Amino acid sequence: QLQLQESGPRLVKPSETLSLTCSVSGGSISSNSHYWAWSRQPPGRGLEWIGSIFYRGNDYYDPSLKSRATISVDTSKNQFSLNLTSVTAADTAVYFCARLGTGGVDFWGRGTLVTVSS
Amino acid sequence: IHLTQSPAFLSASVGDRVTITCRASQDITGHLAWYQQKLGEAPKLLISAASTLQSGVPTRFSGGGSGAELTLTISTLQPEDFATYYCQQLKNYPYTFGQGTKLEI
Repeated sequence: QLQLQESGPRLVKPSETLSLTCSVSGGSISSNSHYWAWSRQPPGRGLEWIGSIFYRGNDYYDPSLKSRATISVDTSKNQFSLNLTSVTAADTAVYFCARLGTGGVDFWGRGTLVTVSS
Repeated sequence: IHLTQSPAFLSASVGDRVTITCRASQDITGHLAWYQQKLGEAPKLLISAASTLQSGVPTRFSGGGSGAELTLTISTLQPEDFATYYCQQLKNYPYTFGQGTKLEI
């Protein structure tokens, strides 16, 4: 059974960079059938799409993040990562990593709450 | 592509039939997923490609509609169905979500 686990700092200072890693187990990140994605959910609010990446590096982002987000993949570690620069309090959210198929996101990590605060 | 779900809140009872609508800012025929999210949990994929039920999802859930108006119907509400539901379009990047529909008892 595929499992995804987010890891990284839970507290980030304003203007700094949020960095999270998603470790994939029970399957290969080098899949020709799937992308790997990040979404987030601010406290008490709805889901927001951040972006996704194919294992060969093709990546796509929500333009509302204004180029602050970068997703990368490390096939040797079966991991992918999210960097979000110049964070503000508005970036406080539960961050989910996930597997994206052609029909939707079929596997999700449990999510990790990242708080932006000084 | 902007998605608008309606209603935002829905009160219903066990045994009721309910329908949630997802309206898109353009034609997304077939390129829609529905998710269920319970408090403190990750979303769960219920339906892909607008109407394909995922393995293990009860048959009381169904997806329909076409063009820019898609629907999720729960035919006979069970206690475990009270949750928040989201639609997501997968026609064009970014793969936007609807704002959610909270289904309450």
